[in-house]
Formats: sequence, structure tokens, C-alpha cells
Amino acid sequence: QQQVKQSPQSLIVQKGGISIINCAYENTAFDYFPWYQQFPGKGPALLIAIRPDVSEKKEGRFTISFNKSAKQFSLHIMDSQPGDSATYFCAASIEGQGAQKLVFGQGTRLTINP
Amino acid sequence: GAGVSQSPSNKVTEKGKDVELRCDPISGHTALYWYRQRLGQGLEFLIYFQGNSAPDKSGLPSDRFSAERTGESVSTLTIQRTQQEDSAVYLCASRASSLAGGRFFGPGTRLTVL
Repeated sequence: QQQVKQSPQSLIVQKGGISIINCAYENTAFDYFPWYQQFPGKGPALLIAIRPDVSEKKEGRFTISFNKSAKQFSLHIMDSQPGDSATYFCAASIEGQGAQKLVFGQGTRLTINP
Repeated sequence: GAGVSQSPSNKVTEKGKDVELRCDPISGHTALYWYRQRLGQGLEFLIYFQGNSAPDKSGLPSDRFSAERTGESVSTLTIQRTQQEDSAVYLCASRASSLAGGRFFGPGTRLTVL
């Protein structure tokens, strides 16, 4: 019940296209859903996050769509650029309780072809 | 410093040896996490420190793993009698408080056990 399942494992998108990464969770107590971006040799960096009281959050070219009833959330990268090539992780946690441990998905390696 | 720092950046050791990994969190951050990232995998929670509270050790995989933190400063993760399956990148993250703000990750320590 603590798992977060992420797909696809890898994704290749042409420059200018839309990249879509999906995640699903089981624990309905999760109330914080961030996405992290990780470049080789670096630690993950917070990209964008959403709480379940909204269905969508947009920051620049990055959008999170959240479907509470389906227990799914996704990251959309519009006008994808070669600099977006990285590994993306979704995560979930229960905020305001104990350690607020982030449970991570397995990651998606995104490659944007120029 | 401006971000979370970790040392060493790389560590190669022989099976059976003990290793100590260091994390310097962002100044003033009261919460500190250790995660393990195996090759091609998501991040696994290991341990959480919050101020002077008792740490949440629920993610430590065995009693060979231990961690310490003095107050709100440096933390060390110790792995005793290392095994080949301990090979991974060990990531540290800090957070301003237990109830607010994103987690900021360090670049990690890549541990290789021969």
C-alpha cells in the first residue's frame, strides 16, 4: 500500500513534443505529490508538487494532473527541450504526520531528441 | 553553504569493511533524511532526523546500518561489514521544518563494495 507505481520506465520524445509520465498510488492517506528531476551525478531536485485539493497545477512548461478518484497523477512537459533530458521521479507522502517519508516511483528516463 | 553537501562523492571499499558517509545539511534545516538509490531504481527511505526528537529508523535495512546527527548539524551514516548489495548512491536531504518546505537533496555518495 506504500508503493507508487511509475510508467513508462523510459521515454523518447522529439523536441517540441509533449512528454507524459504517469504514476499511480494505493494509499489514500497520501496528501502531497511532488515530482523530482535528476540529472546524472546530481541529487534529485524538486520540480513541481501538488496536493489533492486541486486537479491541476501548472508551472511554466510543467503541469501536474491529479485524479483523486483514480488515485493517479501525471507530469506533462510541454514543448519538450533537449535540456529536459533527465530522470524523473514521482513521489508521495503524508504531510504533517511523523517523518513525512517520501515514497518514490521507480523513475522514468526521458530523452528529448533534437 | 548554499546547498546540501555530502562527502565523499565516491567511495570504493572491500567487502567486510566499515564505511562512514557524511551529510552537511542546509544551515537552519531541522529535518534531515537519508535515502538509498540503487542503480536504475527509485529512492528508498533509510532514516529521518527532526531536531532533537528520536530518529525514525524504520527504513534501515539491517543492524549493520546506523546514523547519527548532533542537533541540527552534520549527520553521518555508517555501514558496518559492508556487503556487495550495499553498493548504491546514498542521498541526504534536508528540509526547513517537519511541516513546511520542500526537501533539498545533496549530490549523493556513490558507494561501491568490491
